[in-house]
Amino acid sequence: LAKTTQPISMDSYEGQEVNITCSHNNIATNDYITWYQQFPSQGPRFIIQGYKTKVTNEVASLFIPADRKSSTLSLPRVSLSDTAVYYCLVGPKAAGNKLTFGGGTRVLVKP
Amino acid sequence: GAVVSQHPSWVICKSGTSVKIECRSLDFQATTMFWYRQFPKQSLMLMATSNEGSKATYEQGVEKDKFLINHASLTLSTLTVTSAHPEDSSFYICSARVRQPVAGGLYNEQFFGPGTRLTVL
Repeated sequence: LAKTTQPISMDSYEGQEVNITCSHNNIATNDYITWYQQFPSQGPRFIIQGYKTKVTNEVASLFIPADRKSSTLSLPRVSLSDTAVYYCLVGPKAAGNKLTFGGGTRVLVKP
Repeated sequence: GAVVSQHPSWVICKSGTSVKIECRSLDFQATTMFWYRQFPKQSLMLMATSNEGSKATYEQGVEKDKFLINHASLTLSTLTVTSAHPEDSSFYICSARVRQPVAGGLYNEQFFGPGTRLTVL
């Protein structure tokens, strides 16, 4: 499983865009990039998944450059309720795959 | 989306007792469930992979005799912490991998339960 590196923490303010970059230099050809969000004392929640270029859903956007050695999760116009830990995971989208969580990025949104 | 529940949401027990935590997939069938442990301010650590009808596969360093896992049906897996000690106090989270595509979802997506806070006195 490819190892990921994320910033430990980030501070932001309400209404701003938050971009979290994840490095995964040894990503394999069949690996996908998945981001999860976790609030205190809750299980992680799937945010977005992508393989290359750009993926957007109602919650976030995921930007993946051509070499796929990094990815950036973009949260538009954050609110206080977006304060959470965000995990970047890299692995194959295949049966039997287990998820390996790295340290995650603790995002604090201030008023 | 698919829903996974855990019971209980929190439990306090005395040292030496055993505690059972249930993980249920409420609206889908899960051939595989995963159990994680998370200590305060730390990331999730995978403990074991539970497959329906077969023995669980434990990660290195996880004592299988201490953390008993049973996956008797496609919607239920249980984790029993035997002879619990204060160092077992942690947040235990399960996830279930969907067996077939769900509306708007991904074939091999994992859905996480809300977690169970275990405190051993």
